[in-house]
Amino acid sequence: DSGVTQTPKHLITATGQRVTLRCSPRSGDLSVYWYQQSLDQGLQFLIQYYNGEERAKGNILERFSAQQFPDLHSELNLSSLELGDSALYFCASSGLGNSYNEQFFGPGTRLTVL
Amino acid sequence: GENVEQHPSTLSVQEGDSAVIKCTYSDSASNYFPWYKQELGKGPQLIIDIRSNVGEKKDQRIAVTLNKTAKHFSLHITETQPEDSAVYFCAAINSGGGADGLTFGKGTHLIIQP
Repeated sequence: DSGVTQTPKHLITATGQRVTLRCSPRSGDLSVYWYQQSLDQGLQFLIQYYNGEERAKGNILERFSAQQFPDLHSELNLSSLELGDSALYFCASSGLGNSYNEQFFGPGTRLTVL
Repeated sequence: GENVEQHPSTLSVQEGDSAVIKCTYSDSASNYFPWYKQELGKGPQLIIDIRSNVGEKKDQRIAVTLNKTAKHFSLHITETQPEDSAVYFCAAINSGGGADGLTFGKGTHLIIQP
């Protein structure tokens, strides 16, 4: 158990809808990362937040957005969903204190868009 | 941006034999190289990592080597056991750069034959 929690575990929705995925980082970790895992694209970095502020952006679509709250949990919002958004979405967290922050992954949310 | 290539995509070895997975990266500024193990239905689990100021690191049956000149790094698992069966991902990151997301290889499905 990495200490990172994600809810829900599974999500089934229809095209055009909007969903919110939630992540709680390990206790004390200030950074939260979101990744998408699909069969064709593999594991891809979407976005990073550090202590409430956006820190880095990867291959995140404009239809997707994220935020990190004062209690450090994070939410990933996916809107105008398309069939191709079906994937596993992982959250990872890392801590302070070193230059190379090991990232610890949660169990993921499996999103199915019908 | 960074590009990570991983080989082979599938590796089948007899229990007790060694397994080697190789990765190359493109960005010479990358300075942190973690390896993750992903079991079915779970999130990636960090198993070992190496930083650019080190050539080799070992942890029990697992070792990782890094050749900065050739821009490649490898995972070595000795005395393989059935529980080593999983998908393994290598990753790279320039931790001092603007983006802090990991770039992953496509993964290696390691199968341990009894």
